Amino acid sequence: DARVTQTPRHKVTEMGQEVTMRCQPILGHNTVFWYRQTMMQGLELLAYFRNRAPLDDSGMPKDRFSAEMPDATLATLKIQPSEPRDSAVYFCASGETHKVWSTDTQYFGPGTRLTVL
Amino acid sequence: AQTVTQSQPEMSVQEAETVTLSCTYDTSESDYYLFWYKQPPSRQMILVIRQEAYKQQNATENRFSVNFQKAAKSFSLKISDSQLGDAAMYFCAYHQSYNTDKLIFGTGTRLQVFP
Repeated sequence: DARVTQTPRHKVTEMGQEVTMRCQPILGHNTVFWYRQTMMQGLELLAYFRNRAPLDDSGMPKDRFSAEMPDATLATLKIQPSEPRDSAVYFCASGETHKVWSTDTQYFGPGTRLTVL
Repeated sequence: AQTVTQSQPEMSVQEAETVTLSCTYDTSESDYYLFWYKQPPSRQMILVIRQEAYKQQNATENRFSVNFQKAAKSFSLKISDSQLGDAAMYFCAYHQSYNTDKLIFGTGTRLQVFP
């Protein structure tokens, strides 16, 4: 049963600390997405990669957030320094690109619930 | 710009009954995909059903089916024989078929199921 995995599932940290979230996409999927979900903003796309190359990170606060894909089986999202307004659920999703520049179905991981005190 | 609208913030249904969740979208494209995702209290986003716009036949997955009206830009989800485990937030989402990977989500409908 192929699925996206994310670690940690929950993270509580203090303001100013570095937070690293990890994602393992479904084997064979070449596109990986990072989303953030809050009550106020709903689901927001932060960044995504295809074949490990970043395609769009326009949704990400550049000064404190960074996303990387060290290899095809691992994507990371870092926040440094973290702030209370970063408290949210962060989702990773993966998919296959069937058509040119398009991933038709995204499969989501269980999310990381981040609380910054 | 494409938009997705879910006009029902909350719905409720009795166990074993049928409920329909509404979704409308706005696009000038002819080739796209539509999805319903379920988010239970665990927060996991679960793909429920997927519809390709060029297919006239409505998608079906067990107790879940859609009523896809392309001309009206409507994509409703019908849940038959509702179960307690169907209680969740349901998100409608749109994806253009080319030149983008972005999913556009609606604001969600919270479904309560009563025994």
